[in-house]
Parts: sequence; structure tokens; C-alpha cells
Amino acid sequence: QVQLQQWGAGLLKPSETLSLTCAVYGGSFSGYYWSWIRQPPGKGLEWIGEINHSGSTNYNPSLKSRVTISVDTSKNQFSLKLSSVTAADTAVYYCARALEYSSSGRPYRVHYFDYWGQGTLVTVSS
Amino acid sequence: SSELTQDPAVSVALGQTVRITCQGDSLRSYYASWYQQKPGQAPVLVIYGKNNRPSGIPDRFSGSSSGNTASLTITGAQAEDEADYYCNSRDSSGNHLEVFGTGTKVTVL
Repeated sequence: QVQLQQWGAGLLKPSETLSLTCAVYGGSFSGYYWSWIRQPPGKGLEWIGEINHSGSTNYNPSLKSRVTISVDTSKNQFSLKLSSVTAADTAVYYCARALEYSSSGRPYRVHYFDYWGQGTLVTVSS
Repeated sequence: SSELTQDPAVSVALGQTVRITCQGDSLRSYYASWYQQKPGQAPVLVIYGKNNRPSGIPDRFSGSSSGNTASLTITGAQAEDEADYYCNSRDSSGNHLEVFGTGTKVTVL
């Protein structure tokens, strides 16, 4: 059974750097996309970015200038750093595993997040 | 980038059927995946691909797709189905971005 366990600082001051790590237990690290997703209080889900086992990344354009996602395949872990945080970055942050493959016919592709971490509430306050 | 639009809220009587829709251009290329989220919990995958349910998801949940619209149907809604539901797909730009729907609050009466 795959489990994602995440941790990191829950209280930050404005301008500090958010840092979270997600460890993957019980499954292969390769062949998947590993994402960070956040949810501000009372609002919807926002994708932050992803990394694959070889270190290739994709980021949400709205956050790209402040985000770094890295991977440590020796530990089956991936990490998120978000710099220069403000109160607008207050949210529950989730790590998640995504799988993608081609389908026959239209639509052409299947993509989904099958495992999620437990979530970490990060509050930015002075 | 693409957007996925959902109705903010729907209600359904206990045991009846409710359909939640998700609209966006990216759905012409990618199947939507659907997630159930209860208060204080992480989202849970309920439907992916053409109409696939992960292990443990009741068969009253089903999915369909047509053109730029994906639908999640709950047939015989139960009290425990009251939750927020989000659709998701890759962005259609080809840049491997992700987009989530705006979310639908389902209330079971």
C-alpha cells in the first residue's frame, strides 16, 4: 500500500521560505509525477508544480518565480520550497502522486492523482 | 492556461441521483479525474479515465465525458456522499500543467 507522509514548518513570517518534504512509502518512485497542491482556507485546490523521478519539473506559471521542487530518489522523497511567502500563501499544502497514460479514442490521455499526503497547514503571519 | 468550470453547489435527496459537471477545453484531450473532499481531509480520487473507480469507491459513483464536458454521477446518494467534489485534468496547452475545477459542494438532504 502506497503512503505519502509529509512534514515541514507550519508557521512562517512574511518573506521567509516555505519548506516541505514528502516521503513515499510502499511503491516505486519512477514512472510517476510527484506534485504539490495547496488549498487556502475555504477555497479550492491549486496545483503548485510537479517533478518526476529524473528531476524534470513543471510549475504553475503564477508561482514559478518563487517555487523549487526537488527530488531525492535515494530516499524516495521530494520537496517543495516557496520563497518570499506572504499571507496569501497561507494554505493546506498536499503532496500527491500522479499517473498518466494514453487512451484509445478521444479524449486521448488519462491523468489522475491516486495517492495524497495528509496535508500540512502552513500559516504566514507576522 | 485552461480553466475547468463547475457549478458551485448542488443538492440531492437521500437515495436520489445527482450529476456534477465540469467544463473546459482541456477535456477534449484529457479525461477528467474526480476527487471527493470532506472537511478537514485530503481529497480522495473517486473516478478516473473513461469511467474507472479506485478500489474501495462504491459503484454508485460513475463518470462520463462528451466534448468539453465531463460528468460525475452519484446514483442513490448517501449521507456520507455530502462533500466537495473537484474535477482535474492536464492543461490543454501542452506544457504539462495541471488545472483543478472550481469545486462543487454536494448537499444530501
